[in-house]
Amino acid sequence: DVKVTQSSRYLVKRTGEKVFLECVQDMDHENMFWYRQDPGLGLRLIYFSYDVKMKEKGDIPEGYSVSREKKERFSLILESASTNQTSMYLCASSLGWDGVNTEAFFGQGTRLTVV
Amino acid sequence: AQTVTQSQPEMSVQEAETVTLSCTYDTSESDYYLFWYKQPPSRQMILVIRQEAYKQQNATENRFSVNFQKAAKSFSLKISDSQLGDAAMYFCAYRSAGGNEKLTFGTGTRLTIIP
Repeated sequence: DVKVTQSSRYLVKRTGEKVFLECVQDMDHENMFWYRQDPGLGLRLIYFSYDVKMKEKGDIPEGYSVSREKKERFSLILESASTNQTSMYLCASSLGWDGVNTEAFFGQGTRLTVV
Repeated sequence: AQTVTQSQPEMSVQEAETVTLSCTYDTSESDYYLFWYKQPPSRQMILVIRQEAYKQQNATENRFSVNFQKAAKSFSLKISDSQLGDAAMYFCAYRSAGGNEKLTFGTGTRLTIIP
């Protein structure tokens, strides 16, 4: 089974801190994604990566950056955490074969609270 | 840009009964994929069912089936013989057939099963 592992299930950080959310997948997937989940808004894409060191902005990239130095690991960085970044963060990965309907596999989520 | 709309924030159904969750989407593309994901209280997103737009036949997975109406841009999920374990948030999602496999999600429907 594909496994996508996020480093923390719960995280509490102070305003202004630099925050790292880590995600690791074990199936050699090309694509990795970071989504943010808020009640009434569903999941919104923050950033995605289709290869090592390659990244593209999603729908809500402001206040975030990402890093993908190795294929299996995709990090989300909050440069200076703010209270409006309190949310659930979900990492996902997918195979990345064009024209094939491959599913995305998700981590268990990190609930981040910024105080 | 594509949008996905789930107009039912909450639904409830009696155990063993049938329930239908609605989803509509907007796109100018002719080839795409549609998904229903389930998120139980454990927060682990699980793929329930997927549909390729070029297929006329509705997808079925055991007690789960879809009603895909391409012209109407409608993609509803029917759950038959509802079980307590079906209680979860259900998200409808859209993905373009080509490119980077990023998903566009609806806002979700919380399904409650009444014993």
